[in-house]
Amino acid sequence: SQQGEEDPQALSIQEGENATMNCSYKTSINNLQWYRQNSGRGLVHLILIRSNEREKHSGRLRVTLDTSKKSSSLLITASRAADTASYFCATVNSGYSTLTFGKGTMLLVSP
Amino acid sequence: EAQVTQNPRYLITVTGKKLTVTCSQNMNHEYMSWYRQDPGLGLRQIYYSMNVEVTDKGDVPEGYKVSRKEKRNFPLILESPSPNQTSLYFCASSSRDNKETQYFGPGTRLLVL
Repeated sequence: SQQGEEDPQALSIQEGENATMNCSYKTSINNLQWYRQNSGRGLVHLILIRSNEREKHSGRLRVTLDTSKKSSSLLITASRAADTASYFCATVNSGYSTLTFGKGTMLLVSP
Repeated sequence: EAQVTQNPRYLITVTGKKLTVTCSQNMNHEYMSWYRQDPGLGLRQIYYSMNVEVTDKGDVPEGYKVSRKEKRNFPLILESPSPNQTSLYFCASSSRDNKETQYFGPGTRLLVL
């Protein structure tokens, strides 16, 4: 079953701008992750935030988690053309090693 | 190099002709999974395995089989493929110590005519 739902479905920005993607989920989670997928390729793990964390940074990535609203956001600062990809949030329930993915946000960064 | 490999990468077949997509990881991971990705539906889990000889159904297991006879391999079997199984398939693995972070293979694009 689909757990995470990303918003927007597609986002087009210019290089140097910031990109923000949101994810909402329905049930309680152990953690939430963000993955990137370049066209037709495998997913690459970007960042994980646990249910007891509110914010996490990794390079140009900033992830927030609001468990009361069951939502998360991914911010990519100073975007580059190479950031063009689809971004997926995925949730993990306690005790499982399985991920439930959302449908993704397609990000296009124009030079 | 630590990686998950899948074969074949591309496959065109006909309805009813049995096929196997292989998946192998060299990271000694306990957990392995299969997903399919379809436009507008995102990734959906087909089957997963928490260790050798332990497999469980995911969200969309119908029409698929898996086996886990060895730790490194997790083949996906389509006994009688149908056109609705045309999709992009991904294998993934993770370790017991860091089970939440999955490493994905490059994908297998399957077309069933």
